[in-house]
Amino acid sequence: EDKVVQSPLSLVVHEGDTVTLNCSYEVTNFRSLLWYKQEKKAPTFLFMLTSSGIEKKSGRLSSILDKKELFSILNITATQTGDSAVYLCAAHYGGSQGNLIFGKGTKLSVKP
Amino acid sequence: SQTIHQWPATLVQPVGSPLSLECTVEGTSNPNLYWYRQAAGRGLQLLFYSVGIGQISSEVPQNLSASRPQDRQFILSSKKLLLSDSGFYLCAWRASTGSPLHFGNGTRLTVT
Repeated sequence: EDKVVQSPLSLVVHEGDTVTLNCSYEVTNFRSLLWYKQEKKAPTFLFMLTSSGIEKKSGRLSSILDKKELFSILNITATQTGDSAVYLCAAHYGGSQGNLIFGKGTKLSVKP
Repeated sequence: SQTIHQWPATLVQPVGSPLSLECTVEGTSNPNLYWYRQAAGRGLQLLFYSVGIGQISSEVPQNLSASRPQDRQFILSSKKLLLSDSGFYLCAWRASTGSPLHFGNGTRLTVT
């Protein structure tokens, strides 16, 4: 069965801390790995990773994919209260349609 | 730029009543369109997707149906709601199979 597993399910840190969120996947015909940030409503797109070992970076956020070990990590450095959200990982898989399967998310709370 | 509109934002409906949620996308042609449901602790579940007008694929058999009467319009419906239909419904679009998904702001449906 295709699945995406995220860990931890929740995390509480203080401003300034660095956090690492984990995502492992087992899917048929893997195509890419995506990260989203969800605050109150719509998940917003962060990164799409297709190649192993190439880090994608946006400000204090970065992510990398390991296609051999079937996982990805999302790093956030110097966390701020505005980083508090649920972070979703999704694997893009399958044939011509190539749909996404999502993990359950990691709820990050950043305390001042 | 592309935008996605989803309404209503919240909805409270009695068991057995009908449902119609609407989603429209602006600024793009022939998008792939999706309906997801997000339940607490269960992650995002794909309900329906569409690659063109009148073309609907169902991922999970249930009490819901979807239609795409126009290129950029996607509708989620039910003839008779069940309590188990309560949840957060998200519409999403992408330009092509390999592109990231972009989500609407969601509809929080409570069936009483």
